[in-house]
Amino acid sequence: DGGITQSPKYLFRKEGQNVTLSCEQNLNHDAMYWYRQDPGQGLRLIYYSQIVNDFQKGDIAEGYSVSREKKESFPLTVTSAQKNPTAFYLCASSSRTGSNQPQHFGDGTRLSIL
Amino acid sequence: AQRVTQPEKLLSVFKGAPVELKCNYSYSGSPELFWYVQYSRQRLQLLLRHISRESIKGFTADLNKGETSFHLKKPFAQEEDSAMYYCALSPLGDKLIFGTGTRLQVFP
Repeated sequence: DGGITQSPKYLFRKEGQNVTLSCEQNLNHDAMYWYRQDPGQGLRLIYYSQIVNDFQKGDIAEGYSVSREKKESFPLTVTSAQKNPTAFYLCASSSRTGSNQPQHFGDGTRLSIL
Repeated sequence: AQRVTQPEKLLSVFKGAPVELKCNYSYSGSPELFWYVQYSRQRLQLLLRHISRESIKGFTADLNKGETSFHLKKPFAQEEDSAMYYCALSPLGDKLIFGTGTRLQVFP
């Protein structure tokens, strides 16, 4: 089931460093999403993109940035402005927004602070 | 505010017992609701959505607009049902709002 590939599986960040999490999909989906998962808090939406070269902030966008230069790729950068970046990050995609198509998820990236 | 509440962090039952995972939502419009499941060492995946009104792996969920609930039910739990279950709300079809999840443990 290679539809959505997230890399790396584990990532460590030093203080003041920006790190980028990769998300690639080969499902030809228009919409892509980034979630953050913390213990006891479920999944919270960071950013989402409905189409190439366009994206919207989710509920917790501060300290994060994204780009959507290609349909199949939606990388997430965790900047030094994110003071509590330690979490599990999930990427998802769906065929199109506005139609309640199910979201397909990757395996996730676990980010920790050194 | 749009919100999904799953009041139980953990639900433990014995095999063959009925299961009900609770989900309540807060949304003023007509909601689209989903249940997602994550089995051990697997990806988060869609279990069912209310618009389909279908039964998946013996699970059903009925939208109750009066009680703003979308509880997940199964009459006879199986050990392979043990997993993490998330209820999710899609207000406008463009994003999902997840609950905090309920871990279901089914003992033999």
